[in-house]
This record gives sequence, C-alpha cells and structure tokens, in this order.
Amino acid sequence: NAGVTQTPKFRVLKTGQSMTLLCAQDMNHEYMYWYRQDPGMGLRLIHYSVGEGTTAKGEVPDGYNVSRLKKQNFLLGLESAAPSQTSVYFCASRTSVDTGELFFGEGSRLTVL
Amino acid sequence: DAKTTQPNSMESNEEEPVHLPCNHSTISGTDYIHWYRQLPSQGPEYVIHGLTSNVNNRMASLAIAEDRKSSTLILHRATLRDAAVYYCILSLGFGNEKLTFGTGTRLTIIP
Repeated sequence: NAGVTQTPKFRVLKTGQSMTLLCAQDMNHEYMYWYRQDPGMGLRLIHYSVGEGTTAKGEVPDGYNVSRLKKQNFLLGLESAAPSQTSVYFCASRTSVDTGELFFGEGSRLTVL
Repeated sequence: DAKTTQPNSMESNEEEPVHLPCNHSTISGTDYIHWYRQLPSQGPEYVIHGLTSNVNNRMASLAIAEDRKSSTLILHRATLRDAAVYYCILSLGFGNEKLTFGTGTRLTIIP
C-alpha cells in the first residue's frame, strides 16, 4: 500500500521562483492537510481540505496556495518563494470520522536560497 | 480552539515505564485526545487516542483524567526506538476538522 505519497522529496529554489508540491493518497480519505516543520519546531498547519473542491486556511497560510481538484490529490503551491519558506513540508490525510487516524507522508524538504 | 500543554523534554531509562503528561484544561465534551509521535527524520505516526475511558493498544496506554483536563501517555517499557517527539493533540469535535500540533515533548531514552 502506498498510503500518502509526496513529490518531490527534495527541492532547491531561488528566491522568487514558483513550485508545486503534490500529495497523493490512495485511501479514499476525505480530509487532507499540509503542514510545515522548521528545525527543532513542531508542525504548523498551512492549509487543509475537507473534500474535493474545498480548501481552508490553517495557522500559517500566507505565501501558499492549495487546490483539491481530485479527492486523492492535494497540491501546495508557492507562487514566489522566499527564504522564510525553507522548511520540511508534510502532507497528511484521514477519514472524516473524529477518531480517524492521520496518515503522514515522508516529507518534502524545500530550500529557498 | 482548545490547546494542549506538554513539557518540552523528558528523559527515561531504557526498559523502564515512561509517563508523558498533557494538559488540556479547555477541552470540550466532544473533543478526542490523540497522541502522535515523530521519530527522527520521519513524518509523525499515530500512537493512540481516546475520549473518556483509558485505552490500551500494542504501542502504549492512554490514561485520561476523570475531568478530562489532562491525560498521560504511558509507554510500559521504553526502548531506544521510542526516542521521539510526542505530540498530544485534540480532535476538535465533529464539524471542526482542524488538527493543530504544538511543540510536543522530546523523549530521550538513556541506555
């Protein structure tokens, strides 16, 4: 079982460049999340989605956009990357049940120079 | 949103039990208590969850205070592989899907 797959796993960008991180899940989960984790810090919620075609802001949404055109995919976009967006990005998904376990991807390490 | 408070770090000797505390004094009646852990260089993984009663699974036990304002994750016999950051989070009831993590407790296991 693939579970939650993130691509790419590593990326280096220059300031001002744009890129998209892809999260794909094969568990038919309704909810999907994007988190960022800075060195030595906990996870901070960027955006999340409760179903196909829906998105909502998390704790730190500025500088990011997201789309959920298909239920299995959740895209995180950086339109104009900044050094402050250097981080490890984690995608997660779960069912809509309160007790639903969160399944995480392996993370995508992004460096903005 | 209900918040959780955890100690920044804890140490424990290998093969001894570990009790990781979490305070959630503003928890509401429908909030589930979840625990996740993050091993070095990995994404977080589910450990256990509960609502009111104590819970046991193959990984750990969860003890929930009677007033639900605090809970304790119990690792019965710590191994070196249990060294990780442990997060206590609240699933904020039906209709509120946000899941926010705090900074967690970094658990160090001493051989």
